[in-house]
Amino acid sequence: GAGVSQSPSNKVTEKGKDVELRCDPISGHTALYWYRQSLGQGLEFLIYFQGNSAPDKSGLPSDRFSAERTGGSVSTLTIQRTQQEDSAVYLCASSFWNQALDGYTFGSGTRLTVV
Amino acid sequence: DAKTTQPNSMESNEEEPVHLPCNHSTISGTDYIHWYRQLPSQGPEYVIHGLTSNVNNRMASLAIAEDRKSSTLILHRATLRDAAVYYCILLNSGGSNYKLTFGKGTLLTVNP
Repeated sequence: GAGVSQSPSNKVTEKGKDVELRCDPISGHTALYWYRQSLGQGLEFLIYFQGNSAPDKSGLPSDRFSAERTGGSVSTLTIQRTQQEDSAVYLCASSFWNQALDGYTFGSGTRLTVV
Repeated sequence: DAKTTQPNSMESNEEEPVHLPCNHSTISGTDYIHWYRQLPSQGPEYVIHGLTSNVNNRMASLAIAEDRKSSTLILHRATLRDAAVYYCILLNSGGSNYKLTFGKGTLLTVNP
């Protein structure tokens, strides 16, 4: 497709369950980012992938959060033992190698609600 | 990291031009000036970016001061759909700052 695709668009889960969120970046984009946005709050950086380099995980809030990117394309963000404070919109973005030159494209996000 | 400063909010009338300012006095020579916006209940959307020269695209224009310490995003004719939070962000082409770090941005209200 032409844009960044995220699935599911909405996810309701019970506290303590694990969830997986998926991101399909734009074809040819080597850089991929995950952000999250809690209700009424700003965007919070979570993790960054660039080609085959080691990811920048400095934004992950706890060890319950992990992400992987297979084959340099699709990425999955996994949250284990979800807590109510994990409720947020999780946004994925991708860009060409030098994002300063091209900018990011964001997906529509996954709205996660932990009940 | 070089920081940006924007007004918290601005108001405009429909079909009038809007000039959204951004100060970045500590900008480095390899920092690109990026603008994004976030419409209500949507993910951020790229608007425009530039280095030194003024830039135009179908969405907006970007005017960059000669000393690069400030820039202005120009919406030539505001529509109700332009009501959003606008973010001015610096990204370094040398890779020293690749994260889109969103500040509070400017909340633009467009009156019919």
